[in-house]
Amino acid sequence: DAGVIQSPRHEVTEMGQEVTLRCKPISGHNSLFWYRQTMMRGLELLIYFNNNVPIDDSGMPEDRFSAKMPNASFSTLKIQPSEPRDSAVYFCASSPDRGPYEQYFGPGTRLTVT
Amino acid sequence: DAKTTQPTSMDCAEGRAANLPCNHSTISGNEYVYWYRQIHSQGPQYIIHGLKNNETNEMASLIITEDRKSSTLILPHATLRDTAVYYCIVTISSGSARQLTFGSGTQLTVLP
Repeated sequence: DAGVIQSPRHEVTEMGQEVTLRCKPISGHNSLFWYRQTMMRGLELLIYFNNNVPIDDSGMPEDRFSAKMPNASFSTLKIQPSEPRDSAVYFCASSPDRGPYEQYFGPGTRLTVT
Repeated sequence: DAKTTQPTSMDCAEGRAANLPCNHSTISGNEYVYWYRQIHSQGPQYIIHGLKNNETNEMASLIITEDRKSSTLILPHATLRDTAVYYCIVTISSGSARQLTFGSGTQLTVLP
């Protein structure tokens, strides 16, 4: 099992540009989560999907952020336009719909917006 | 409004047991205690979870007090690779409400 796959691992972009982060969850997992981690705010849940449907997006900071899950094996997190304060490590995690509901995290994407 | 309280940092000698405490005095009857850890620059990793009974797996043991207001994660023989931030999380574990709210955690440093 390859685990949760995220791409790219590192992204450097200029303010105002569109950024797309990608995630492939573990096969068979029904839930997918996007987190953001910064030194100031720690690890924050942005949005999570269950069976490809967004369940809670209350953690999405503003309209510049959007997430999609077109099928069970792929999700994207898009930032448009990006700002320097979006610089962070973005983690994707997936979880099965049966106990113990543990979340498996990907390696993260380190985003730097200059 | 934090649901859990953990010490900021702890040290442990290699080969000794590491005991990481967590206070969750406002825990509800249907809430579980989960422990995750994050090794530097990696994604968090699930360790163990429990409701009210003590639990043990290949990684650690979880001791929950009878009133469920606190718990202790025990790494029986800490190694240098156990150096990480350890998060104690209280959450409902049913339906779609399985969100994890990470606090600041405890930085455990295992010393040679």
